[in-house]
Amino acid sequence: DAGVIQSPRHEVTEMGQEVTLRCKPISGHDYLFWYRQTMMRGLELLIYFNNNVPIDDSGMPEDRFSAKMPNASFSTLKIQPSEPRDSAVYFCASSLGDSTNEKLFFGSGTQLSVL
Amino acid sequence: AQSVSQHNHHVILSEAASLELGCNYSYGGTVNLFWYVQYPGQHLQLLLKYFSGDPLVKGIKGFEAEFIKSKFSFNLRKPSVQWSDTAEYFCAVNARGTYKYIFGTGTRLKVLA
Repeated sequence: DAGVIQSPRHEVTEMGQEVTLRCKPISGHDYLFWYRQTMMRGLELLIYFNNNVPIDDSGMPEDRFSAKMPNASFSTLKIQPSEPRDSAVYFCASSLGDSTNEKLFFGSGTQLSVL
Repeated sequence: AQSVSQHNHHVILSEAASLELGCNYSYGGTVNLFWYVQYPGQHLQLLLKYFSGDPLVKGIKGFEAEFIKSKFSFNLRKPSVQWSDTAEYFCAVNARGTYKYIFGTGTRLKVLA
């Protein structure tokens, strides 16, 4: 398996623009997570899905952020409008949901810079 | 709600020095505990995990961690670090029966050759 695939690897945009980050989880994994990494806050959980259904979105910073998972092999995280404080590395991760051998598999991340 | 505290944000050690990174969590129920590592230019990956049983768990590359329930701690240790251990280390917790992983802020370890 190719692992968790995220695109783009880098995104530079101007304040006010819409940004869409994409993620393809590992085939067969039931859980998908979106995290944001900053120096100040470390890895923050934004939202996670189980079988394409959002389970907990309490970490989404505000209404400018939205995430979808239209099918088991694809998820998007959208920021509209983007702001400079959204600059961070955004990680997607997936897991099998096996309570006896649970672990997260991370993608390589998207480095977002909002100017 | 769960939370995780990592006390050391930056650690610099010489090769062969011993390492201990602190991790404390806040949660009243039963938890699963993890340490993840991010080597420069690589994905975050699992270093070790504790679900139940022996509170001293061993992971890859000579790392180990001890779960002390009374202290809500899960500190990471390695008796002798190598230059290749330079990385960022994250402690994480999820409540047993859930898949909501909460991470600490991370510790950046730099090992001097």
